Amino acid sequence: DTGVSQNPRHKITKRGQNVTFRCDPISEHNRLYWYRQTLGQGPEFLTYFQNEAQLEKSRLLSDRFSAERPKGSFSTLEIQRTEQGDSAMYLCASSPGRGGSYGGLNEQFFGPGTRLTVL
Amino acid sequence: AQKITQTQPGMFVQEKEAVTLDCTYDTSDQSYGLFWYKQPSSGEMIFLIYQGSYDEQNATEGRYSLNFQKARKSANLVISASQLGDSAMYFCAMRGLIQGAQKLVFGQGTRLTINP
Repeated sequence: DTGVSQNPRHKITKRGQNVTFRCDPISEHNRLYWYRQTLGQGPEFLTYFQNEAQLEKSRLLSDRFSAERPKGSFSTLEIQRTEQGDSAMYLCASSPGRGGSYGGLNEQFFGPGTRLTVL
Repeated sequence: AQKITQTQPGMFVQEKEAVTLDCTYDTSDQSYGLFWYKQPSSGEMIFLIYQGSYDEQNATEGRYSLNFQKARKSANLVISASQLGDSAMYFCAMRGLIQGAQKLVFGQGTRLTINP
């Protein structure tokens, strides 16, 4: 399978615990994105990387959230001291750098998401 | 700032009929792209169709077409000959096309149900 993969698919944790999610992008894509989707809403942007550099972070990404992409391949998203409000689907997407199907505009390909439930 | 508005929380359509899903947007960017994604119950976002703000013709991809009306800031998705497998959430999204602009801004979505 050459699509974007995310692990785990589901995570249930108790409030106050730390959790970490992993995203493996499509191999030739150098851009990687994290979004959060709460029930009944559209995805909201969290952060994006070009290679290993984190180039943009949303205000939604509080100090308890940290994302890394150490070698420019897979990425991790960690949430420390989880709160019930963190319960959501966390989506990862990747896109090529220059080029792509739309003259460099680079559509984003999404993974299946990690559903987090904080009890 | 960019904003996407989808005013139809749910749509119910008979199989084989055409359906139009509404999307209006707001942006101060001169160049931007508009996207439609499908999200089935499995959760994965599936890219359907794209329209650039500078494209003079409406985009088409198989049974999907995008009715782009720039002056009205609308980008409605038209699905022809609907199928049971089209039942899903549909999201309209946009992003600016200036250098460095990468994030997609999504609407709240429309849940489409195709009845046999």
